[in-house]
Amino acid sequence: EDQVTQSPEALRLQEGESSSLNCSYTVSGLRGLFWYRQDPGKGPEFLFTLYSAGEEKEKERLKATLTKKESFLHITAPKPEDSATYLCAVPLGGSQGNLIFGKGTKLSVKP
Amino acid sequence: EAEVAQSPRYKITEKSQAVAFWCDPISGHATLYWYRQILGQGPELLVQFQDESVVDDSQLPKDRFSAERLKGVDSTLKIQPAELGDSAMYLCASSRGASGGLETQYFGPGTRLLVL
Repeated sequence: EDQVTQSPEALRLQEGESSSLNCSYTVSGLRGLFWYRQDPGKGPEFLFTLYSAGEEKEKERLKATLTKKESFLHITAPKPEDSATYLCAVPLGGSQGNLIFGKGTKLSVKP
Repeated sequence: EAEVAQSPRYKITEKSQAVAFWCDPISGHATLYWYRQILGQGPELLVQFQDESVVDDSQLPKDRFSAERLKGVDSTLKIQPAELGDSAMYLCASSRGASGGLETQYFGPGTRLLVL
């Protein structure tokens, strides 16, 4: 069964305290992995797409990496405005666009 | 920057009533998706359209939910009758194509539904 698991469920950091969020997946024939950011009461906002193991992408304080079994979202020197829920998703095997999402990691950054 | 539009943003209804949600995708996007997100969970696909045709509605509860995209542009999702368990955020997303799930999906702000 295709599945996406994110950990931890919640993460509290002090401003400037770097850390990583994990997304592990079991899916037949991974074709790509997506990271989204979601603020309370809003729709997910696209961050990154990773297509193959070893690929890395960066945006401001965020860096996403991909291995054959998991992806990491590294947050360097976070600021309070980075507080949000971070979701990862993979296309369901054999589907035309059905994304399987994890439950997300709720990040809180305190000043 | 083009965005996906949804309305209403919030809807409160009583169980057994009918509700409808509207979505206008990013201009030129052929693929449109409706997702449901329960608090504390990730979004789950309800239905996917390619132009005006349904591509995947395997997770749509067809006894009470219906979706249409008559002219291949905007779309309406309807629930009749609404049940207490339908309380959730309903998200619309669009992408240029489907490409086996590799096209980036851009989400709208969502409609928060509360069924009393």
